[in-house]
Amino acid sequence: GAVVSQHPSRVICKSGTSVKIECRSLDFQATTMFWYRQFPKQSLMLMATSNEGSKATYEQGVEKDKFLINHASLTLSTLTVTSAHPEDSSFYICSAKREFSHEQYFGPGTRLTVT
Amino acid sequence: KNEVEQSPQNLTAQEGEFITINCSYSVGISALHWLQQHPGGGIVSLFMLSSGKKKHGRLIATINIQEKHSSLHITASHPRDSAVYICAVGQDNDMRFGAGTRLTVKP
Repeated sequence: GAVVSQHPSRVICKSGTSVKIECRSLDFQATTMFWYRQFPKQSLMLMATSNEGSKATYEQGVEKDKFLINHASLTLSTLTVTSAHPEDSSFYICSAKREFSHEQYFGPGTRLTVT
Repeated sequence: KNEVEQSPQNLTAQEGEFITINCSYSVGISALHWLQQHPGGGIVSLFMLSSGKKKHGRLIATINIQEKHSSLHITASHPRDSAVYICAVGQDNDMRFGAGTRLTVKP
């Protein structure tokens, strides 16, 4: 089956610093990747959708200058949380899908803690 | 009313019991997904359905498109099945998630 990895799995950073999270599709080409955020005991919330080679589409309320998304290749998307604050502490999950497919393959998630 | 409703919210079962988790949705979809999220947070996609029924090991998922309803069944439940099960419905790139069902299977 299709595999999506995320790195790192956990990261602790200081307030004001930036953190980059990588999402990779290991055995397929992901034309579209999605970034989700999940607060404790809540469901996943879509932050943005990125298509390879084009700018990400952000959901309402998500600051594009704070959450920088790059999808430069068919196997890699990155989410950079800039000038992180404690309220950005959350579980960030990516998913990926092939072109013309409805199936999304989820990464294992990255737990970000901002101190 | 949420677009994706799951029931029950919480479920506790004894090992070996047959478990059913339900999902109803109110939007048009191209596919329905059942996801499993373990306490550590990682998500595994269990099934993607657009019609009928799928089976994988002890897990069975069904969908009734006309009634906009899906069920996830776990036969011979085991403590390692303890997780949050999430129903998600998708239309192209737009996926809507249920709130999840927290399943605890006791030995």
